[in-house]
Amino acid sequence: EDQVTQSPEALRLQEGESSSLNCSYTVSGLRGLFWYRQDPGKGPEFLFTLYSAGEEKEKERLKATLTKKESFLHITAPKPEDSATYLCAVVGANSKLTFGKGITLSVRP
Amino acid sequence: GAGVSQSPSNKVTEKGKDVELRCDPISGHTALYWYRQSLGQGLEFLIYFQGNSAPDKSGLPSDRFSAERTGGSVSTLTIQRTQQEDSAVYLCASSLLAGSDTQYFGPGTRLTVL
Repeated sequence: EDQVTQSPEALRLQEGESSSLNCSYTVSGLRGLFWYRQDPGKGPEFLFTLYSAGEEKEKERLKATLTKKESFLHITAPKPEDSATYLCAVVGANSKLTFGKGITLSVRP
Repeated sequence: GAGVSQSPSNKVTEKGKDVELRCDPISGHTALYWYRQSLGQGLEFLIYFQGNSAPDKSGLPSDRFSAERTGGSVSTLTIQRTQQEDSAVYLCASSLLAGSDTQYFGPGTRLTVL
């Protein structure tokens, strides 16, 4: 069974204080690892897809990296508008997304 | 372009009643998925449709849950004889193809069973 564990559950940062969110996974035949952002009362918003170990992707203040066992979402100099829940998910051989429980990020001005 | 849309956005019902939740996927997307998100829990896979293939129903929690997809587009998730534990946000997603293609989510339907 595919499993995704995200840590920490919650993270509070000061504006400008860089940090990383962790996603550990076990999956049979990784076909993709996804990062989503979810704001309260809304559906998940796609951020990145990573397909193989060593791959990295960037978007504004966010950078996602992938190894064979985990992925990191690095946030550089965060702003209050980066406050949200960040979800990690994997797709394995069964073509279904398996999600972690998410990391709630709060950025104080 | 238009994203995934869902209706209603909120639904309050009484225990024992049936409910129908609707999903309109992104035009041209052949794969459609339903998930459930309960407070404090991760997103839980329910069912997915890929083209004209038989749906993968392996995530449906009981036989009170069913879904159909008409004409390869709109989908309806039906919950019969609702129970309080069915209260959750039901999310729909679509992707160009099943598998590793990115899934794009709708805003969800918040279901409250009294």
